Amino acid sequence: GEDVEQSLFLSVREGDSSVINCTYTDSSSTYLYWYKQEPGAGLQLLTYIFSNMDMKQDQRLTVLLNKKDKHLSLRIADTQTGDSAIYFCAESRGGGGNKLTFGTGTQLKVEL
Amino acid sequence: GAVVSQHPSRVICKSGTSVKIECRSLDFQATTMFWYRQFPKQSLMLMATSNEGSKATYEQGVEKDKFLINHASLTLSTLTVTSAHPEDSSFYICSANSGVSNEKLFFGSGTQLSVL
Repeated sequence: GEDVEQSLFLSVREGDSSVINCTYTDSSSTYLYWYKQEPGAGLQLLTYIFSNMDMKQDQRLTVLLNKKDKHLSLRIADTQTGDSAIYFCAESRGGGGNKLTFGTGTQLKVEL
Repeated sequence: GAVVSQHPSRVICKSGTSVKIECRSLDFQATTMFWYRQFPKQSLMLMATSNEGSKATYEQGVEKDKFLINHASLTLSTLTVTSAHPEDSSFYICSANSGVSNEKLFFGSGTQLSVL
């Protein structure tokens, strides 16, 4: 079956860069996503990348995709305390109109 | 961006009662909506896919008679947890796809269900 895995926890200092990693197994993934979830809240779409791309940058966020290794990463530059949250990667086949398979989630803690 | 409204945000009920959760797309028509369940400190697990005007498609292991889904209009899907029990306590989140920007799914703010 499909599996999407992430490390559970990441702690960084304010102002540093954060890198959150994700591995997936489904080679037919079409889109890969990063979502942010704050306590007791729904999911906020941060960014996404199409599987034929290897990089996408959006302000402080940089997504890298290594399709050969099925590895996805999210880099947050100049991490702020407001970035503290759980980050989920997710993959879908055939676009967001189809169901997403979520990763296990990474708790990012930003310390002063 | 598109907005998905989910209501209620929190509900506490007695065991054996039924609870209805609403998911509305506010500024677009949602041809497809998805219902997810999330246990504390865990990932989201897809429960079912709801298509407007047709029966929902349930994931393996999800009881369709317990989790009733209705998607009667292009802006509203409802999830009813029937005869709720404490093990149904969870965070339920809906998401919607507009069918226009097919790569994006928009999520509701979630419903925390606590069954006593």
